[in-house]
Amino acid sequence: EDQVTQSPEALRLQEGESSSLNCSYTVSGLRGLFWYRQDPGKGPEFLFTLYSAGEEKEKERLKATLTKKESFLHITAPKPEDSATYLCAVTSGGYQKVTFGTGTKLQVIP
Amino acid sequence: NAGVMQNPRHLVRRRGQEARLRCSPMKGHSHVYWYRQLPEEGLKFMVYLQKENIIDESGMPKERFSAEFPKEGPSILRIQQVVRGDSAAYFCASSPPSNPDPYEQYFGPGTRLTVT
Repeated sequence: EDQVTQSPEALRLQEGESSSLNCSYTVSGLRGLFWYRQDPGKGPEFLFTLYSAGEEKEKERLKATLTKKESFLHITAPKPEDSATYLCAVTSGGYQKVTFGTGTKLQVIP
Repeated sequence: NAGVMQNPRHLVRRRGQEARLRCSPMKGHSHVYWYRQLPEEGLKFMVYLQKENIIDESGMPKERFSAEFPKEGPSILRIQQVVRGDSAAYFCASSPPSNPDPYEQYFGPGTRLTVT
């Protein structure tokens, strides 16, 4: 069974203070790793898909990287509007079934 | 291009009643997924459907829960004889056909079910 563990559970940053969120995964044959952002009371918003170790993707202040065992979401010079819960998810095997981690709740203080 | 639509956004049911949650996927998407999110817990997969077919329902409780995605109309998640433990946010997601690579799933705003 696929497993996803995210750390830390919560992270509080000052505006402009860069940091990284971690996603460790255990799957039998990774087909894709996803990062989502979820704001309170809303559905998850898609950010990135990573397919193979060594791959990197960027979007504004966010950069996602992937190794064979974990993924990192790097946040450079965050702003208060980056405050949200960031979810990591994986899919493996022949189906589109996706397994989510419990998320990292990020708070960026002005 | 409209996103994934879910209705109602909030639903209150008394114990023993039925709850029907609706999901219209994004245009061009033929795959629908339902997830449940309990407070302080992660999203849990429930069921994966294509038009007129249930592909994977391994996350669905064996009793009281059912899902369909008819040829015409939205996907429906149906919960019969609701209990307090069914109170949660239910999210629907959709994706385009995934041959051969997995495509990201796009989520709707969710339906928040409260059972009193």
